[in-house]
Amino acid sequence: DIVMTQSPSSLAVSAGETVTINCKSSQSLLYSGNQKNYLAWYQQKPGQSPKLLIYWASTRQSGVPDRFIGSGSGTDFTLTISSVQAEDLAIYYCQQYYDTLTFGSGTKLEIK
Amino acid sequence: EVKLVESGGGLLKPGGSLKLSCVASGFTFSNYWMHWVRQAPGKGLEWIGEIEYDGTETNYAPSIKDRFTISRDNAKNTLYLQMSSVRSEDTATYFCTLWHQGLDYWGQGVMVTVSS
Repeated sequence: DIVMTQSPSSLAVSAGETVTINCKSSQSLLYSGNQKNYLAWYQQKPGQSPKLLIYWASTRQSGVPDRFIGSGSGTDFTLTISSVQAEDLAIYYCQQYYDTLTFGSGTKLEIK
Repeated sequence: EVKLVESGGGLLKPGGSLKLSCVASGFTFSNYWMHWVRQAPGKGLEWIGEIEYDGTETNYAPSIKDRFTISRDNAKNTLYLQMSSVRSEDTATYFCTLWHQGLDYWGQGVMVTVSS
């Protein structure tokens, strides 16, 4: 099974700052056949169901603000949130879909 | 508008069985793989399993295999999760989700509590 490791587990920032969340997979998520990374990011706000933010490691889902940026390849991935806003208070999860599905343990983002 | 509505949750004793349902609307149900994901209270997301368009293929998380069964009825636009031999650690909110480019759409979730 592919294990997803996220860091940090939580962080607190002030509005307007930039946040970086890391996600590492136990094996490469890059498929040589199409050169795509099978990695998605989700946002779960308090009391809500998760929401898909990014797929193929860097493609934003329709309607997701461009301050959410996914990057990385192979086994190391990053979700960057630039100019964080109060509404970004949430837990963020990475997920691999290279081999069935596995979620990371989540990163809780708090706004100071 | 895509809607996924779970039902069937509740309180059950260890070793018991329960069947969850998820009624889908707003899209062509038979065109999509469907998934179940759960979340224990205060914990992260755990993928349970998936089912192919016509139900011929299913895959499960290793922690779930042989205790839970995913099925679907495309004529009724309904996804099911049959839970058996439940344990206290199965206590969670269970979400029905649709796979398109990721898990694009989620239901509101249904709570299952396993307790003696």
